[in-house]
Amino acid sequence: QSALTQPPSASGSPGQSVTITCTGTSSDVGAYNYVSWYQQHPGKAPKLIIYEVSQRPSGVPDRFSGSKSGNTASLTVSGLQADDEADYYCSSYAGNNGVFGTGTTVTVL
Amino acid sequence: QVQLVQSGAEVKKPGSSVKVSCKTSGGPFSRYSITWVRQAPGHRLEWMGGVIPMFGTANYAQKFKGRVTITADESTSTSYMELRGLRSEDTAIYYCARGLRELLTSSYVIFDVWGQGTMVSVSS
Repeated sequence: QSALTQPPSASGSPGQSVTITCTGTSSDVGAYNYVSWYQQHPGKAPKLIIYEVSQRPSGVPDRFSGSKSGNTASLTVSGLQADDEADYYCSSYAGNNGVFGTGTTVTVL
Repeated sequence: QVQLVQSGAEVKKPGSSVKVSCKTSGGPFSRYSITWVRQAPGHRLEWMGGVIPMFGTANYAQKFKGRVTITADESTSTSYMELRGLRSEDTAIYYCARGLRELLTSSYVIFDVWGQGTMVSVSS
């Protein structure tokens, strides 16, 4: 299972929006509506921010939103805040196993 | 609330094996998947494999098949990940994570609770 493809970096000023893509194949992202997104700050365990393409766990602000089209999923962070500066990983179910993306570092300018 | 507590850091020689534990407390164990994820220093997250304790049979990433064994002991609410034939590239933080939904392997990628991570260093 090859890693899902994400852009290495993304950036935006406070208050702006940033969108991160996650491209897989018809065997993972395209086959299932089980795409998750995780936020990871340095030295910390990842935190779930989106699951099942567009669902937010309780406590995650609605500034975070997810979508999917074909083999590509997307995460949009609106109203960027300083604390949003982190690494973001997508993950997809692939039929009794899973795969993570290559990761995107988001910088708040 | 549910917590996953992992065993401590390990230093291993190339060619040896390591076994990391992950104990669930504060909530049910058997019906929720436990997945193992690793992260080499400065690198991305990597999915290794998972198990739903009630079912017992683990699923593994192709990359690790034959080299990793994931088990779950319902009597102690503990999952184990054993990695054999260690090499320097296996130096990483190893995390266990609990799946969000009961009895579904789709929860192999939906983790609402993570362990604190276990650093495994492989060096001669």
